Parts: sequence; C-alpha cells; structure tokens
Amino acid sequence: QVQLVQSGAEVKKPGASVKVSCKASGYTFTGYFMHWVRQAPTQGLEWMGRINPNGGGTTYAQKFQGRVTMTSDTSISTAYMELRGLRFDDTAVYYCARDVIDIVAASLPQYALDMWGQGTLVTVSP
Amino acid sequence: DIVMTQTPLSLSVTPGQPASISCRSSQSLLHSDGKTYLYWYLQKPGQSPQLLIYEVSSRFSGVPDRFSGSGSGTDFTLKISRVEAEDVGVYYCMQALHLPRTFGQGTKVEIK
Repeated sequence: QVQLVQSGAEVKKPGASVKVSCKASGYTFTGYFMHWVRQAPTQGLEWMGRINPNGGGTTYAQKFQGRVTMTSDTSISTAYMELRGLRFDDTAVYYCARDVIDIVAASLPQYALDMWGQGTLVTVSP
Repeated sequence: DIVMTQTPLSLSVTPGQPASISCRSSQSLLHSDGKTYLYWYLQKPGQSPQLLIYEVSSRFSGVPDRFSGSGSGTDFTLKISRVEAEDVGVYYCMQALHLPRTFGQGTKVEIK
C-alpha cells in the first residue's frame, strides 16, 4: 500500500537547522511531486514548497525562500526538507504529501496532496 | 497569492443532521484546461489531513457518499448529508490552481 513515513520528532535550539525525511513506498516515487506543509500548534495548514523527484526541480513559498531546501534521493525513494535559522515560531508539525498536478495530463484526475506522511514535530526551544 | 476564506469556522451538529461548509477564493479557480482546482480535506483529531474531494465535486477513493462538493468560480460548498461521529475534525479547503498552494482557515466540526 502507498505509504509516506517521516522521521521522528526533533528538538532544536534557535538558529539551528533541522532536516526531516519522508520515505515513500507503494508507488513510483518519481511519478509525483512531493510537497511539504506545516502546522503550528492549534493553527491551520501552511504550504512550504514542493520538489519534483524526477529532476529535483523545486518551488518554495516566498516566506521560506533562503531558509528551506528540499531534496530527494530517488535510489531510496526519500524526500527531505531542511529548514535553517530556526526560530521559536517554526515550532510545528511538518508533513510531506504527494501530488500529481503538473505531472499528469489534464484529462486525468488531478489528485492534490492525496497521501500524507504522519507528520514530524519540530520543537524550537532554548 | 490566492486567499481562501471558509465559513463558518466552527460547527456543532447533531448526528444524522446535515452540515455545510462554504469556501470562497479571491480569484476564480477555473483553469484553461476546463478543470477547477478546488479541494477539501479533513483532519481528524491527532491525524494527518486526508483528501475528501478533488476538483470541486469528485469524491476521493474510499470517501463515503454522504460527502459532496459543489460550486464554481470562486464559491464552493462541502456538504455532509448526515453527520456521523467519525466526521468530527477540522475541514480545510485548498486551491491548487497556482503556487503557492493556499488553504482556508479550517472549519472545526463537532458533534452535539
């Protein structure tokens, strides 16, 4: 079955970096974009960016430009999201989610974020 | 960026009764390919979001038929025909027409 399994919870100090992994299984990794979405405590969903594992092309939300890097390793079907210069308000659950928009033909179903990882809690604490 | 606005932000529903959530976008979500890129997700307590509805009105695999989506252009609605206890959680609409993807604020549905 299709699964996205993320790395475990992290506690970081302000100014540090965190790298979250997302291992995909059950589908062709290079056939989908991988998006990253975060959710601060008791808050809504915030889109961070996406990567196309087929070639590595990325698009980031302007808010995170310069602080985030998304990469992928197709040999192990794993996507990564690194966030640098952590601040207290980066405390959140970070999710990966796969997506076919801009990959499949428009005549096919445009499934957006149809499978999500379990989430990784990143806590920024002094 | 496209702004997504949901109403109401919370809803208390008696089991077996219908529920309706509205979502409005700051610009039309109709693409030149003829599709409208509006999606609905449910985040159950303690879980990751799950896709319910894609392209305004198509139910994703495994989604019960008591869930339905409708709308066009900038105004959309998610309806639950008969709310069940398992439907509690926060519902989000999202646009996928342009990057950045943007979500509504979420509508919390609870059972009376």
